[in-house]
Amino acid sequence: QKEVEQDPGPLSVPEGAIVSLNCTYSNSAFQYFMWYRQYSRKGPELLMYTYSSGNKEDGRFTAQVDKSSKYISLFIRDSQPSDSATYLCAIHASGGSYIPTFGRGTSLIVHP
Amino acid sequence: DAGVIQSPRHEVTEMGQEVTLRCKPISGHDYLFWYRQTMMRGLELLIYFNNNVPIDDSGMPEDRFSAKMPNASFSTLKIQPSEPRDSAVYFCASSFGQGILRKNTEAFFGQGTRLTVV
Repeated sequence: QKEVEQDPGPLSVPEGAIVSLNCTYSNSAFQYFMWYRQYSRKGPELLMYTYSSGNKEDGRFTAQVDKSSKYISLFIRDSQPSDSATYLCAIHASGGSYIPTFGRGTSLIVHP
Repeated sequence: DAGVIQSPRHEVTEMGQEVTLRCKPISGHDYLFWYRQTMMRGLELLIYFNNNVPIDDSGMPEDRFSAKMPNASFSTLKIQPSEPRDSAVYFCASSFGQGILRKNTEAFFGQGTRLTVV
């Protein structure tokens, strides 16, 4: 079992829909949680990060962490075709190296 | 700054040939990372450097892979000899501080080198 599991999709939704992207992890030492967005043929770019349970909002994006269930989510409200990309969760522990473990990524397609 | 610059963008080579991938990190960044991305395995860390010194190369798959960072503005990843299973997209990323923790220390990725070994 990989340390970070993520459904590769693709997830196809109509424009305006609420999107939910999820990851599960196995290592309870993980304390920092990030979401990266990767457009086709580009490198990943950091979208959001959080280090605590609960919600963090940034515009149309909300990151949610449930440490008790080892489950993290990214919600996108009012999804737009420009949100079409692969979303990767990345997680790392609090001590030592801050090098994250990435999920495989979920491909999201928002169609007009 | 132009961001992290990788070359070439695409590389097609025959099995057994030597392949060299190049990376120019963002000026002033002290960490450099090499990643490999495939559909099956996702994004995997191969090696990372701090101040030009290799810190952790445990992700390098085999002795056929080697990486160097002769100075703060240049790094190479070499595969010799290359095999079809090395086909993947290779990313270089750089950060200031042991990045990726916060927005102001995040790692910035290059556009990647798509390697195909036939």
